[in-house]
Amino acid sequence: AQSVTQLGSHVSVSEGALVLLRCNYSSSVPPYLFWYVQYPNQGLQLLLKYTSAATLVKGINGFEAEFKKSETSFHLTKPSAHMSDAAEYFCAVIQSGGSYIPTFGRGTSLIVHP
Amino acid sequence: DTAVSQTPKYLVTQMGNDKSIKCEQNLGHDTMYWYKQDSKKFLKIMFSYNNKELIINETVPNRFSPKSPDKAHLNLHINSLELGDSAVYFCASSPPGNTEAFFGQGTRLTVV
Repeated sequence: AQSVTQLGSHVSVSEGALVLLRCNYSSSVPPYLFWYVQYPNQGLQLLLKYTSAATLVKGINGFEAEFKKSETSFHLTKPSAHMSDAAEYFCAVIQSGGSYIPTFGRGTSLIVHP
Repeated sequence: DTAVSQTPKYLVTQMGNDKSIKCEQNLGHDTMYWYKQDSKKFLKIMFSYNNKELIINETVPNRFSPKSPDKAHLNLHINSLELGDSAVYFCASSPPGNTEAFFGQGTRLTVV
């Protein structure tokens, strides 16, 4: 079975500060991992994905994430937060060789202060 | 050129009514899904279809019935609506290999 845990339902940062959103996964086989962003009243938009290639994945809007198998983690980072980054962020996992249905974490709300 | 489109975007209805939400994707994907997002933003898979055939049917009341007339469409019909059905429903689709899901804008259902 696959699952995703996002630590912290809310993360608050100042504009210009480092953004770190945490995601840990459990999967019995090598997973595919994703970060999605949801702006208010919008659908989910893919930020980046890991599909067993490079462990450091760069995405849109300056975000990146690093797959660390030893820590079963896929944390999302951005060096400098912008006000427009305020949104809900979801980590998701697909277990390769399984049902290929994305399973989502409970989401982390990123709050950016001026 | 909306990739995954859902209609309506907002739906307010009374308890006991029957309603449908439509979803269409123009990406040529074989796999489509319905997710329910509750008031705490949790996304839970409801159904998954692959090439018009039901693949996954999670624990969902049988008042919810998906229908896929062709692989580009996956509609969701809900009978006898209850207050607890109020949520945002998202349609999504995936290409072969299911390495990414593309989401619609969501349908906010409010049952009063």
